[in-house]
Amino acid sequence: NAGVMQNPRHLVRRRGQEARLRCSPMKGHSHVYWYRQLPEEGLKFMVYLQKENIIDESGMPKERFSAEFPKEGPSILRIQQVVRGDSAAYFCASSPPTGYEQYFGPGTRLTVT
Amino acid sequence: RKEVEQDPGPFNVPEGATVAFNCTYSNSASQSFFWYRQDCRKEPKLLMSVYSSGNEDGRFTAQLNRASQYISLLIRDSKLSDSATYLCVVNTGSNSGYALNFGKGTSLLVTP
Repeated sequence: NAGVMQNPRHLVRRRGQEARLRCSPMKGHSHVYWYRQLPEEGLKFMVYLQKENIIDESGMPKERFSAEFPKEGPSILRIQQVVRGDSAAYFCASSPPTGYEQYFGPGTRLTVT
Repeated sequence: RKEVEQDPGPFNVPEGATVAFNCTYSNSASQSFFWYRQDCRKEPKLLMSVYSSGNEDGRFTAQLNRASQYISLLIRDSKLSDSATYLCVVNTGSNSGYALNFGKGTSLLVTP
């Protein structure tokens, strides 16, 4: 049973460009979560999605960040007009329809130059 | 006050030692509690859920005290492979109740 998959694993963008991070949940999991880990910081919740629905986006920055989980395909975290402060590890997690236990993917390390 | 607080360590212990980590959380509405471990530059891995009655998984024992809003993790007979950062995690009680709130972690180094 494949775990949570994320790609790319490393992404380098120049200031002002767009970054797209993808996440495929574990088989049988329908809940997807995105977290960000800044250098030397703990993980911070960003958004919780189910297929075609954003359930909780209380941790998402108000501007430039958006997320989706379409009916078909992976969940996408999109960051427009990236700035140096967006450099971080972005982790996706998934959980089954019942249960709070979340399983994490390997993360995407975003570097903004 | 941070929502989840942990002693950052580092804890340096010899193989075979017993080590205990503590954590406090601020949101009394929290319902789910976990310990994760994170190796350097890797993803967090679920170690165990924490239940009110306390629970044990091999060498690992977790305890929860809701009245004091305190969680603990005990590792017995430490192995070199236990070296990692241990993250105390609590659900936030936010809109959905599913968002997790992570402590910054306690670093453990087990030495030969």
